[in-house]
Amino acid sequence: EAGVAQSPRYKIIEKRQSVAFWCNPISGHATLYWYQQILGQGPKLLIQFQNNGVVDDSQLPKDRFSAERLKGVDSTLKIQPAKLEDSAVYLCATHPPYEQYFGPGTRLTVT
Amino acid sequence: AQSVTQLDSQVPVFEEAPVELRCNYSSSVSVYLFWYVQYPNQGLQLLLKYLSGSTLVKGINGFEAEFNKSQTSFHLRKPSVHISDTAEYFCAVSDRAGGFKTIFGAGTRLFVKA
Repeated sequence: EAGVAQSPRYKIIEKRQSVAFWCNPISGHATLYWYQQILGQGPKLLIQFQNNGVVDDSQLPKDRFSAERLKGVDSTLKIQPAKLEDSAVYLCATHPPYEQYFGPGTRLTVT
Repeated sequence: AQSVTQLDSQVPVFEEAPVELRCNYSSSVSVYLFWYVQYPNQGLQLLLKYLSGSTLVKGINGFEAEFNKSQTSFHLRKPSVHISDTAEYFCAVSDRAGGFKTIFGAGTRLFVKA
């Protein structure tokens, strides 16, 4: 089966600009997560969707980050405006129960 | 609340030597435990998982881990490492009550030397 797809793979923007990331999950996987992985740290959950509803967004900086999952399939994560500390890899993951499948991530550099 | 502590940030080891990467967790309920590997510029790949049953779990690439409930540990081991095992390794915990939200440790960088 095809894996989790993410795009773009790399993005460089200046601070205060906006950026969007896209995730296409494995077909049939109802649960989708976005993680932020800062260099030298483990992934940190930003938001969890079940189909197109938000289950947990307690760690999402809502003043600048937003995410949506239309029709319970693809998802987008947006940052507006970006800050230097947003430089990280943004990982999308989906899963059947117990195990998560991760996409390759989008590496964001904010200058 | 769940948390994961990986006790070593870096582990250098010579090729063909054994290695143990340590992981301790805290959780108030029954947990599911995972080890993931991340090669440079790649996503996370599942090495192995403990859901229930036997406390000794075997994974891919010759890795295994042992779940120790009394010590709340889930250490990863490999009897003989290869240069290709050089990567970042993450221990993670999730539980049903948390909607399978996965909490990751900070990672251990395994560096295998020739």
